[in-house]
Amino acid sequence: GAGVSQSPSNKVTEKGKDVELRCDPISGHTALYWYRQSLGQGLEFLIYFQGNSAPDKSGLPSDRFSAERTGGSVSTLTIQRTQQEDSAVYLCASSLHRGGTGELFFGEGSRLTVL
Amino acid sequence: TQLLEQSPQFLSIQEGENLTVYCNSSSVFSSLQWYRQEPGEGPVLLVTVVTGGEVKKLKRLTFQFGDARKDSSLHITAAQPGDTGLYLCAGDRNSGYALNFGKGTSLLVTP
Repeated sequence: GAGVSQSPSNKVTEKGKDVELRCDPISGHTALYWYRQSLGQGLEFLIYFQGNSAPDKSGLPSDRFSAERTGGSVSTLTIQRTQQEDSAVYLCASSLHRGGTGELFFGEGSRLTVL
Repeated sequence: TQLLEQSPQFLSIQEGENLTVYCNSSSVFSSLQWYRQEPGEGPVLLVTVVTGGEVKKLKRLTFQFGDARKDSSLHITAAQPGDTGLYLCAGDRNSGYALNFGKGTSLLVTP
């Protein structure tokens, strides 16, 4: 497709389980970002990729969170041993290049609910 | 620490009214963007401002970047129900890679 695609769109899991969230960016976009949005909150930065490397992962909240990107394209965000406070919408965005003037194109998000 | 403070947090108005939402910070930004997010969707870029004092218009929406590049405002004239959504400002400090987002202003325009 032409836009950023995320899957699954909804995920309900039990506390303690691992989850994987997938992001397919727009073809040719070298920059990829993961953000988290909780109810009533703005977007919390998690990690940024330029190509396959992650020069900024300062937003990952704990070592239970990890992400990778392969082939300069698809990215996977993994949350291990999920906790209830991990419940949120996880948004992925891609950009043609890194920079504040570059437009971020967002996917529709993956809504994670941890019971 | 929230770098960008948006106000008001919630706003409910009737169709045809004017409104202004604000995005403030103590930090200087090299550029600032405004996004609108509708329920169940990702944010969509409305505008980017890069020069202090810059004013940009997008139909009934007017965006202004403060002279000191620390704040911005969004003014909507004659609001329409289609303007309903979450308005987010995002600033680039050029000191890192992440755009810093505010918590957003949730706008509801009723007919």
